[in-house]
Amino acid sequence: DAGVIQSPRHEVTEMGQEVTLRCKPISGHNSLFWYRQTMMRGLELLIYFNNNVPIDDSGMPEDRFSAKMPNASFSTLKIQPSEPRDSAVYFCASSPRQGGNYGYTFGSGTRLTVV
Amino acid sequence: GEDVEQSLFLSVREGDSSVINCTYTDSSSTYLYWYKQEPGAGLQLLTYIFSNMDMKQDQRLTVLLNKKDKHLSLRIADTQTGDSAIYFCAEKGKLIFGQGTELSVKP
Repeated sequence: DAGVIQSPRHEVTEMGQEVTLRCKPISGHNSLFWYRQTMMRGLELLIYFNNNVPIDDSGMPEDRFSAKMPNASFSTLKIQPSEPRDSAVYFCASSPRQGGNYGYTFGSGTRLTVV
Repeated sequence: GEDVEQSLFLSVREGDSSVINCTYTDSSSTYLYWYKQEPGAGLQLLTYIFSNMDMKQDQRLTVLLNKKDKHLSLRIADTQTGDSAIYFCAEKGKLIFGQGTELSVKP
């Protein structure tokens, strides 16, 4: 299995531009999570989906952020418009089901730099 | 709300044991996890412990759970330079992470 695949690995964009981050979870995994990692705040859970349905988006910082999961094999995290403070590494993770002893498999992350 | 706390840094010599500590607040956590993050990489699940266990051993890794004090620890025996990384503890379904402990192993 190729694991959780995120794209792009690196993204540099100008303030005000739209940014779309992509994630392909492991086939058969029913739960998908988006995290953001910064030096100041550590790892923050942004949103998670069970069976393609958003369950908890309370971690999404503001309306500029949106996430979708149109099918079981694909999810996007969009920032519009982007701001310098959005610069971070964004991780996607998937799990066969939420919680339990399955653990979560993380992608390699997308490093976003907004200038 | 839910919160997980860790010390930020730990430095040990190669061959020594490392102990990374974590405290959590959610007493209903059924599973607690330890993840490892190497530079430029995602998080990798190292081990987990079910809340009705006090201890779990997995090769060089020993996890201790004190439910009364809501304290979790990870002991790495015979620490190697390859163990240098950031270690995160996490709890429960939404996987709330601690800040991470950066382990530095000196030869």
